Amino acid sequence: DVVMTQSPLSLPVTLGQPASISCRSSQSLVYSDGNTYLNWFQQRPGHSPRRLIYQISKRDSGVPDRFSGSGWDTDFTLEISRVEAEDVGIYYCMQGSNWPYTFGQGTKLEIK
Amino acid sequence: EVQLVESGGGLVQPGGSLRLSCSTSGFTFSRYWMAWVRKAPGKGLEWVANIGREEGEKFYVDSVKGRFTISRDDAKNSLYLQMTSLRDDDTAVYYCARVDWGSSDFWGQGTLVTVSS
Repeated sequence: DVVMTQSPLSLPVTLGQPASISCRSSQSLVYSDGNTYLNWFQQRPGHSPRRLIYQISKRDSGVPDRFSGSGWDTDFTLEISRVEAEDVGIYYCMQGSNWPYTFGQGTKLEIK
Repeated sequence: EVQLVESGGGLVQPGGSLRLSCSTSGFTFSRYWMAWVRKAPGKGLEWVANIGREEGEKFYVDSVKGRFTISRDDAKNSLYLQMTSLRDDDTAVYYCARVDWGSSDFWGQGTLVTVSS
């Protein structure tokens, strides 16, 4: 199985400051069709997971543009340009290029 | 508006069985792959199973192979997960999800399954 490793696992951030989460996969996520199925999810307390980013950098509808994704092959990053109070929660990277689909351990973002 | 509503969770003894259902609306169900994803207490997310259109293909994570069966009824716009030989480590919130290009763009609110004696 593809192992997804996130860092940091805990991320205290001051309101209005940027935040960055790294995700590394144990093998290339470039699929045979040329696409890379790397996604980012947010899970707020008491809510279902919500996809923010798919295929490395494509934002889902309704996701604020302060969220952005980047990366290639095995190294990926989620960036939040200015953290807001509503961003508190756990962030997961997830790969859908190989079965079984797998998630990172999760990064808990909290406000300092 | 896309909606996914799970039901069927509850308390079950180890070795027991349970059938989860997911009722959907707001999209053409038959055109989409569907999935079950779970989150155990204090742990991360785990993608459990996928099912293709017209039940053409089914995929399971190793930890549930031979014990769980994913199915669908396109006439009822519904997804199911039959779980047997349940173990303590199957305790989790189970989410129904619409599959979208190696990911999921819509999730239900989840249903809690507790395996305990």
